[in-house]
Amino acid sequence: DAEITQSPRHKITETGRQVTLACHQTWNHNNMFWYRQDLGHGLRLIHYSYGVQDTNKGEVSDGYSVSRSNTEDLPLTLESAASSQTSVYFCASSEANEQFFGPGTRLTVL
Amino acid sequence: GNSVTQMEGPVTLSEEAFLTINCTYTATGYPSLFWYVQYPGEGLQLLLKATKADDKGSNKGFEATYRKETTSFHLEKGSVQVSDSAVYFCALWYNTDKLIFGTGTRLQVFP
Repeated sequence: DAEITQSPRHKITETGRQVTLACHQTWNHNNMFWYRQDLGHGLRLIHYSYGVQDTNKGEVSDGYSVSRSNTEDLPLTLESAASSQTSVYFCASSEANEQFFGPGTRLTVL
Repeated sequence: GNSVTQMEGPVTLSEEAFLTINCTYTATGYPSLFWYVQYPGEGLQLLLKATKADDKGSNKGFEATYRKETTSFHLEKGSVQVSDSAVYFCALWYNTDKLIFGTGTRLQVFP
């Protein structure tokens, strides 16, 4: 069965370190998304991609970057982790108007 | 701009009670509307959707009707179960595959 996976599921890091969260989907979807989930804010879009070599900023992109070198993967990088980036991160992929979500990565920045 | 507003939780109910979670939206044009559910420790799953006015989405006993005149998409279920305890997100889709989510409503169902 097609799926979308994220790794690691849990990560603790220190302020100032670079962190990369992995997202891999086997749906062969062109569209992929990264969200963060925080209490009181729901899900907020960080970055998204409509295909290989395409990346776009979402509403909360500062301090994050993505790259899309193939259809299956969209890694999210925190250039210099900050405590404000402690959150749960979800990756999603879609065709048409239905998005499929990964299980999430809980990131703690100390 | 486009936005989604849903009722704050938690919503606490006894098993077999009737559920309503309110959702209203602001959008230009004719968006598609969704309800997603998030069970503890998991990602979001699509629960139901409606793509045009007066459409009714339904799944697992849940229903929601796209009401353009009141810009609403309220989620209802006639008899909730303990297994329905989760966080429910209303969402709006507009053009290029981007979803806008409400803040989520936690539902707690007790036996």
